[in-house]
Order: sequence, then structure tokens, then C-alpha cells
Amino acid sequence: AQTVTQSQPEMSVQEAETVTLSCTYDTSENNYYLFWYKQPPSRQMILVIRQEAYKQQNATENRFSVNFQKAAKSFSLKISDSQLGDTAMYFCAFMMPNTGNQFYFGTGTSLTVIP
Amino acid sequence: DSGVTQTPKHLITATGQRVTLRCSPRSGDLSVYWYQQSLDQGLQFLIQYYNGEERAKGNILERFSAQQFPDLHSELNLSSLELGDSALYFCASSLTQLPSYNSPLHFGNGTRLTVT
Repeated sequence: AQTVTQSQPEMSVQEAETVTLSCTYDTSENNYYLFWYKQPPSRQMILVIRQEAYKQQNATENRFSVNFQKAAKSFSLKISDSQLGDTAMYFCAFMMPNTGNQFYFGTGTSLTVIP
Repeated sequence: DSGVTQTPKHLITATGQRVTLRCSPRSGDLSVYWYQQSLDQGLQFLIQYYNGEERAKGNILERFSAQQFPDLHSELNLSSLELGDSALYFCASSLTQLPSYNSPLHFGNGTRLTVT
């Protein structure tokens, strides 16, 4: 079975500082995709960043970047220059093409940016 | 704004009742997915439709059903409601039959269901 684990239920960071959210997953497959979603108080799920497993280069989207360690099955999200608007629940997600491309989500990390 | 519209935003009902949640996908998206998010749990996949046909089933209870209409909007029907059905129900859409790196899921704002 595929699982996604986010071991940090809650985190906080000072505004303008950097924070890293951890995510590990378990699969025996070699071809898959990884995503980070953000769920602010508005409850909308917003795609933050995505990574293809066959790409060694870590994905970057503005202040958001990932540290993808395939051998360790780790996919952490780094938020630089944290802003108050980054306060949200962050979900790590995992998708494999050969399971109908269904998404498997972690339980989320609640991030609070402190002014 | 993801372009996915869900109604209603909030729903409060009693045990044993039946409710219908509605979702309009992003313009052009053919796939609709339903997810349940309970307290202390991540998103649980319920069911997927593509262009009107059921494509995949997840952990959906027999008391729950869904359909996708010719105009591509979808409805999730929850019947014989129990207290444990209280949750946030999300709809997501994607362009292709299967979500992919280039066609990821786009989520709506969710419907908060409270069963009393």
C-alpha cells in the first residue's frame, strides 16, 4: 500500500524566516509524482509545487522549493522569506500512473507564520 | 480562484437525512473527483468521473453515490447520514481522464457538512 507521512502536525515560523516541512512516502514503484498543496483558512486547496520522480533536479517555484531525496523517499518543502499569507495547512501528495493516477495525501502540517 | 465551484459552503443536517453536494468543474475540465476530509485525517479519495462516466472508486460508502451530468457538473449524494459523516467534502477537477504532472488536480473550496 502507498502511504504518505507528514510527521509534523504543527509548525510555526517567524515572518521573513525560512521553514522546512517534511514528507516521506512509501512505495515500491519507480515512476511517480509528488505534490505539495496548500489549504489556507479559506479551505481552498492550492497547488504549490510538483516534482517528477525521474527528475533529479529539485523543483522551485518562487519562494517555494523542494528537497527530493528519492532513495530516502523524502520530499520536503522549503518556504523562504515566509509571509503571513503562507499561514495554512500544507498537504504532501503522491501519485502513481499505474494506480489510475490517484492521489494519496498525507495528514497535513499546519503552518503558522508569526508577525 | 481555482475555477472549481462547490455549493453549498455549509450544510447542517440531522442523522438519517440525505443531502446533495454540487460541484462545477473548471471550464474545459472533464474529470471530477470527490474527496472527504475528516478531522485529524488527510484527504480520502471517494470517487472520480470522467466525461459523465465513473472512472475510479475509492473509499466510498454504499450510502454515498455520485454522478456527473452532461454539462459536466457533478453531484455527491449522501444518505442515511451518521454523525461520523461530518467532514469537509472537496471536489476537484482536471483536464484529462487521469491527473498528471501537467494536468494536476484543481480543488474547490469544499462543502462543510455537519451532521447533528
